[in-house]
Amino acid sequence: DIQMTQSPSSLSASVGDRVTITCRASQSISSSLNWYQQKPGKAPKLLIYAASSLLSGVPSRFSGSGSGADFALTISSLQPEDCATYYCQHSYTPPITFGQGTRLEI
Amino acid sequence: QVQLQESGPGLVKPSQTLSLTCTVSGGSISSGTYYWSWIRQPAGKGLEWIGHIYTSGSTYFNPSLKGRLTISVDTSKNQFSLNLRSVTAADTAVYYCARAGLTHNFDYWGQGTLVTVSS
Repeated sequence: DIQMTQSPSSLSASVGDRVTITCRASQSISSSLNWYQQKPGKAPKLLIYAASSLLSGVPSRFSGSGSGADFALTISSLQPEDCATYYCQHSYTPPITFGQGTRLEI
Repeated sequence: QVQLQESGPGLVKPSQTLSLTCTVSGGSISSGTYYWSWIRQPAGKGLEWIGHIYTSGSTYFNPSLKGRLTISVDTSKNQFSLNLRSVTAADTAVYYCARAGLTHNFDYWGQGTLVTVSS
């Protein structure tokens, strides 16, 4: 199975900050990487697919980058509503696995 | 707008079978090319992919659960179902159903249902 490792596990930032969360795969997964945002008590929401494609309706302050085994999710100017846990997920080949999550506090 | 809704018992006894159904609305479960998936999340923990059933009916399961798992589809009711046998307390979690496209990104999710395994 492909293991996904996110860092940091948690971080605290201020409104307006630029924030980056990284995700590393245990092998190359090309661009088969998706990012989700999950708020307490809610289902995850897809933000970015194929490493860098922004889902329609997602604010442009979110961006994704990377390929191979190393990826990043960047929030260019943090907003209060971005307080959530973020997960990466590989979609290279089943079994699908998620990172352990990054809890973002504001 | 596609919507998914999980349903099933919230409490299951150890060694019994956990059965959940996901009802899809806003689109036919048999049209398009999608993976209809189950994902779970123990309280305070991360997401674990359980398995999926493809539009064609083929299935793929998480190897960690293989042998205890069945996923089936009922196109007449626009539903797909999960059966997890011989459950233990470790199977206690919020269970989500979700839709994934050919690139396995989960674009639509149910709201989730908490299943507790306890006697």
